[in-house]
Amino acid sequence: DAKTTQPPSMDCAEGRAANLPCNHSTISGNEYVYWYRQIHSQGPQYIIHGLKNNETNEMASLIITEDRKSSTLILPHATLRDTAVYYCIVRVDYNTDKLIFGTGTRLQVFP
Amino acid sequence: NAGVMQNPRHLVRRRGQEARLRCSPVKGHSHVYWYRQLPEEGLKFMVYLQKENIIDESGMPKERFSAEFPKEGPSILRIQQVVRGDSAAYFCASSPRTPGTKRDYYGYTFGSGTRLTVV
Repeated sequence: DAKTTQPPSMDCAEGRAANLPCNHSTISGNEYVYWYRQIHSQGPQYIIHGLKNNETNEMASLIITEDRKSSTLILPHATLRDTAVYYCIVRVDYNTDKLIFGTGTRLQVFP
Repeated sequence: NAGVMQNPRHLVRRRGQEARLRCSPVKGHSHVYWYRQLPEEGLKFMVYLQKENIIDESGMPKERFSAEFPKEGPSILRIQQVVRGDSAAYFCASSPRTPGTKRDYYGYTFGSGTRLTVV
């Protein structure tokens, strides 16, 4: 059970912000939210993670609601190279760090 | 090359043959994970290994599949007597971090995968 729900697909115009939502209503208090992406045929790439505060790095921003039941990954200026499947993951096993992937959101950035 | 190296990149096997997939983790990483991705599906966890130990193999099929991570050399995922349903992309990831510790998390590093086709 992935414990997350994401829309199957989204479109975004190049240069605009891409906002990818994720619902994780059953998240527990000590579970982090992780985002990975998989560009076609490649291995997944780590983007960002957070617990309850908003986070930002050179790739993206992560906004987590106060009740922690949902989050949004923001790519501030999407490029064609950001076209990928984006996975929102709630880690379920602290003993192994294994990740449970859902089906993700397929983001298509168009010119 | 600082990344996770997987080989071969593509592997074709006839039904009943053995497939051996290799994964060299990032230098200094002692934790290896194998995931399988069937066509048009997400990644499924298979097994987690540390050097010379299998820590969690809860995602491994009970028959025909085995994995190892020897003291020296790459991690190997072995599939015996392959069937068409084994056709998939197999990804390896490595991490320097001991699970459960409070050291900073920088994410797994994934390899580019091995695409197994069983004909």
